[in-house]
Formats: sequence, structure tokens, C-alpha cells
Amino acid sequence: AQRVTQPEKLLSVFKGAPVELKCNYSYSGSPELFWYVQYSRQRLQLLLRHISRESIKGFTADLNKGETSFHLKKPFAQEEDSAMYYCALKSNYQLIWGAGTKLIIKP
Amino acid sequence: ETGVTQTPRHLVMGMTNKKSLKCEQHLGHNAMYWYKQSAKKPLELMFVYSLEERVENNSVPSRFSPECPNSSHLFLHLHTLQPEDSALYLCASSQDWLENTEAFFGQGTRLTVV
Repeated sequence: AQRVTQPEKLLSVFKGAPVELKCNYSYSGSPELFWYVQYSRQRLQLLLRHISRESIKGFTADLNKGETSFHLKKPFAQEEDSAMYYCALKSNYQLIWGAGTKLIIKP
Repeated sequence: ETGVTQTPRHLVMGMTNKKSLKCEQHLGHNAMYWYKQSAKKPLELMFVYSLEERVENNSVPSRFSPECPNSSHLFLHLHTLQPEDSALYLCASSQDWLENTEAFFGQGTRLTVV
């Protein structure tokens, strides 16, 4: 069955430290994966998608088919990165979502 | 307001009430979605409409009834809900359902069933 797992409900790091938000997936085909973000009092919005191979707000995510992972990384965290982060997998024309990780950046 | 707008933002209803959630998008998108977000659980897709026709129904109880009168509006009619239906209900839209392009979300309706 298709599934997205975000093992950490909460991740707290200091400003300037590296950040890695983990996402693992279960999917039999060729996956398309996304990261969405929700800042405080704002709506859920797309951060990046793996097919674009882009860096948004300093974040990158590489698809690792061998490890079935799509971890989100940033080398130096900033306070404004504090938010909820959701990993999502495209499956049969709909998105399968992880439960989300709350990222807190401490000053 | 541009983007996806949901009303009301908060709703408290009794188990015998009938209420409706409204979603509006002026992005020219062809697909609209209802999601349920319960505490500490993944978003659950409830309904998908593409070009005003329902294309997915993920085994949602009949006490939830969607309506899409035109490409800009989506409703979720609620009746005889249960306390476990209390959640954040999110509406989203995307340019096209099949291509699954970027989803744009509303701010949600926080529903409490008492």
C-alpha cells in the first residue's frame, strides 16, 4: 500500500544549525514527491517538488529510491523556518500525505 | 481575497444540526478538493471534483455531502455529524486533477461537533 512516513513529530534545532526533516515512502511505481509547508497562521503551501530539482528558501530534497526517502534539508536554519512540514506522494492522481513534522528553530 | 477562501473559519454544531462549509477559488483552476485534517494524523482526501464532476470518493460517510455548482465554488454539506468528525476541513484547488499540479489551500474551517 502507498504510504508516507514522517518519523519525527517535532524537531527542534538552533538557528544556524543544519536541518533534516525525514520522509520515507512506500510506493510500487516511480514516485513523485512533494514538500508542503504551513507557517503559523498561514495556509498550507507547496515548498518544493522533486521533479523540479530546485532549492526553495535554501531547502533541498533529494529522492533516494534505494532508501525510499525524500528528506528535506537546509544547511543553516533560520528562525523564519519554524513551521509544520508535510511530505506528500502522488498516487493515482491524488496526494498521500505524511502526518507532518513541526520544526522549531531556537534563537 | 485572491486564492482559495473558506467560510466559516470556525463552526460549532450539534449532532442534529445541518450546516454547510463553503469554498471559493478565483484562480481559474479546474479541480477542487476537500480534505479532513485531524490532530496528529495525515491529511485525508475526502472528495475531488474535476470540471464540476466528482471524480473520487474515498469512502466518506454519507453524513458528508459535497456539492460543486460551478468551477469556482465547492460546498460540503454536513448533517447528523458525530463528535469524532471534529477536525480542520481544508479546501484546495489545482489547475488540473490528472496532472496533479500544485495544490493551493484555503485556511480551513475548524469544526467542532458537540
